[in-house]
Amino acid sequence: EPEVTQTPSHQVTQMGQEVILRCVPISNHLYFYWYRQILGQKVEFLVSFYNNEISEKSEIFDDQFSVERPDGSNFTLKIRSTKLEDSAMYFCASTGQGVTGELFFGEGSRLTVL
Amino acid sequence: AQSVTQLGSHVSVSEGALVLLRCNYSSSVPPYLFWYVQYPNQGLQLLLKYTTGATLVKGINGFEAEFKKSETSFHLTKPSAHMSDAAEYFCAVSDRRNQGGKLIFGQGTELSVKP
Repeated sequence: EPEVTQTPSHQVTQMGQEVILRCVPISNHLYFYWYRQILGQKVEFLVSFYNNEISEKSEIFDDQFSVERPDGSNFTLKIRSTKLEDSAMYFCASTGQGVTGELFFGEGSRLTVL
Repeated sequence: AQSVTQLGSHVSVSEGALVLLRCNYSSSVPPYLFWYVQYPNQGLQLLLKYTTGATLVKGINGFEAEFKKSETSFHLTKPSAHMSDAAEYFCAVSDRRNQGGKLIFGQGTELSVKP
């Protein structure tokens, strides 16, 4: 069964360092997303991506964040200069059907910023 | 703006008992509604969704939910809990006017099932 895969599963970094989280969405999907879940809190939308551009982003997704689909298969989230409050589980998701479709989530990348 | 409220951050039931997880939403137009489940150390998996049509929707693992527009609710039920149902459950909504499927999640309800 097709699945969304994310790497790394866990990354520990120092504050101020750049981090890239990688995702391979399901191959025929068209919409891609990043969500995050701070420990004990709700899952929060970060950004959606369609047709090689950001379609929507949340207030959380400031200039420190960027997304890219560099090669038609990977979908990356970059945090340019990590802060302590960026520590969270980051989930990638994809769907082929837009708003009515099921979002398929990866297992997440846990980011710990020290 | 849309929002989702899940009543009860933690629900505990006995095996075989009814499961009822509550979800209320706020939206200017009826949204699309979803329930996701998250097992430990795993991603979110869709249980069921409501987009149009019949307001009682059935999902995987014996779960179902009913969309009640008058109550702005989408409560999740299962007649008989199983130990394997222990997980975190998230209610979510999306704006049917917004192609792109951004989901707004509730805060989650952790379900415990006692033997």
